[in-house]
Amino acid sequence: GESVGLHLPTLSVQEGDNSIINCAYSNSASDYFIWYKQESGKGPQFIIDIRSNMDKRQGQRVTVLLNKTVKHLSLQIAATQPGDSAVYFCAENINAGNMLTFGGGTRLMVKP
Amino acid sequence: GAGVSQSPSNKVTEKGKDVELRCDPISGHTALYWYRQSLGQGLEFLIYFQGNSAPDKSGLPSDRFSAERTGGSVSTLTIQRTQQEDSAVYLCASSPFPTDQPQHFGDGTRLSIL
Repeated sequence: GESVGLHLPTLSVQEGDNSIINCAYSNSASDYFIWYKQESGKGPQFIIDIRSNMDKRQGQRVTVLLNKTVKHLSLQIAATQPGDSAVYFCAENINAGNMLTFGGGTRLMVKP
Repeated sequence: GAGVSQSPSNKVTEKGKDVELRCDPISGHTALYWYRQSLGQGLEFLIYFQGNSAPDKSGLPSDRFSAERTGGSVSTLTIQRTQQEDSAVYLCASSPFPTDQPQHFGDGTRLSIL
């Protein structure tokens, strides 16, 4: 799910289906990763995070997978609902406490 | 509970004017961050505070941009002599401690330069 400029990649899913949003991160030294959800006119909302010593973490209806070998992060949303429609960003952090580097975002559209 | 609060939510100003954007972080959060988001883009890091100090100013795009934080709480981002390319949403985030904990964002200030 990487993009540049206004042309965000879009994932369109049927309500009730599972969604998978992908992200390729840039720095092999990154040790902490976060997924954010951003609705129109709102700031990014924290969904789930994972540290580099893990490869999977589960939350409520969401799972994050981390593959450090290929620098790939994914967000899985189970039983996708209309309220999940938003832009999703992955972010990486090196030496926690400094800036987050954000991916370009993926727009998730849920069809009722 | 109270989240990160930013004001104003919208600001329209003429090119060349100065603007001040305010951020009230979550109470007790020692780290505070400013980001900029242009239309349809991801977030661009501007500056980071730990307490009242800014150890990382690397993201400020020019010397027209400055920020301060007082009392380990409220922060203001000032843009002098605004240009049209400064138009964006300016987002503030805070976190409890500069370790691996998530940053929590406000809803931003939408700045439009005419």
